[in-house]
Amino acid sequence: EPEVTQTPSHQVTQMGQEVILRCVPISNHLYFYWYRQILGQKVEFLVSFYNNEISEKSEIFDDQFSVERPDGSNFTLKIRSTKLEDSAMYFCASSEARGNKNTEAFFGQGTRLTVV
Amino acid sequence: DAKTTQPPSMDCAEGRAANLPCNHSTISGNEYVYWYRQIHSQGPQYIIHGLKNNETNEMASLIITEDRKSSTLILPHATLRDTAVYYCIVRVGSKNSGYALNFGKGTSLLVTP
Repeated sequence: EPEVTQTPSHQVTQMGQEVILRCVPISNHLYFYWYRQILGQKVEFLVSFYNNEISEKSEIFDDQFSVERPDGSNFTLKIRSTKLEDSAMYFCASSEARGNKNTEAFFGQGTRLTVV
Repeated sequence: DAKTTQPPSMDCAEGRAANLPCNHSTISGNEYVYWYRQIHSQGPQYIIHGLKNNETNEMASLIITEDRKSSTLILPHATLRDTAVYYCIVRVGSKNSGYALNFGKGTSLLVTP
């Protein structure tokens, strides 16, 4: 069964450093998303991406964050100048479009980011 | 998107049906009801969704009331592996919008032997 894959599974970085989280969405999907979950809290939407541009973003997704689809398979989340409060599990998701309807999103297993 | 209300926790005996309720009294006509679950900090897993009619797939059944103000997710024969947090999410299904799923606190389902 096709799945969304994320690398690395765990990333430790020093405060102030830049990190890039990588995702390979399901191959025929057109919509891509990033969510995060701080330990013990709910899953929060960050951004959605369609047709090579951001289609929706939350208040959390400020100038510190950026997304990119550098080639036909990868979808990345870059966090500049990481802060301690960026420590969280980051989930990538993708979905396809059937007709004029968006469909269910499939999530990867996440990257646990620890900022020290 | 309409808000949802779910009980914070529920128990279910293994092999029995788990019935997870969700209230969405402010749902509008073009909003779908989606159910996801999260097993112990893994990525959320899609279960089922519906608009008006009841739906069934290999994982679960979704019963939506006629006025669409509430729904019930049914796991017909719960197993220990169904222990997870279950999220009821209401949103518009539109190609031009993002897919900003609003995960609330969900219902923590514990399946016991």
